[in-house]
Amino acid sequence: GDSVTQMEGPVTLSEEAFLTINCTYTATGYPSLFWYVQYPGEGLQLLLKATKADDKGSNKGFEATYRKETTSFHLEKGSVQVSDSAVYFCALIPEGGYQKVTFGIGTKLQVIP
Amino acid sequence: EAGVAQSPRYKIIEKRQSVAFWCNPISGHATLYWYQQILGQGPKLLIQFQNNGVVDDSQLPKDRFSAERLKGVDSTLKIQPAKLEDSAVYLCASSLTGGFTDTQYFGPGTRLTVL
Repeated sequence: GDSVTQMEGPVTLSEEAFLTINCTYTATGYPSLFWYVQYPGEGLQLLLKATKADDKGSNKGFEATYRKETTSFHLEKGSVQVSDSAVYFCALIPEGGYQKVTFGIGTKLQVIP
Repeated sequence: EAGVAQSPRYKIIEKRQSVAFWCNPISGHATLYWYQQILGQGPKLLIQFQNNGVVDDSQLPKDRFSAERLKGVDSTLKIQPAKLEDSAVYLCASSLTGGFTDTQYFGPGTRLTVL
């Protein structure tokens, strides 16, 4: 079945450091790929998405590129801020049909001043 | 535009009691989802509605969980009787069409503690 594998956290970085959170997936065809963010005490929010191979999703300084050849969708940010502290979830929706989202386990990011 | 509303935000019950959660999706959204998020894990889909019909309930423990979507708008998720392992955050989400490139919008969740 479909699955998403994320690097386990927590990840602790200093402010202005470079961030990479790895995500790989298993699915047939060309699924849609998503990154969601969950701030403390809040629900999940869509951070960015890519629906075709080689597409780059971007939002709030975060980027992720859909790599079919490596079945990956790694999240990156050039300079993190304390306000980026949250849990980040990689997710996929299989190609075609109705949505059925499969989430990764989430990676907690803590940014210290 | 108003977001997805859920209530209550927190609930504490004893095991074997029953509990119900309510969700009001974004106006006009055809698809509604209920997820269970256990601490330290990603959300797991419990049930998906398209308008007022069930599209997927393969991971819903039907012996104790039930859900309905009234007139294709609001939805209620019920647990009866609750078990300790039901302690989790229950998330409701909605999307405009349910298509696989569509965006899901999540509510703040209901945190359930079963003692």
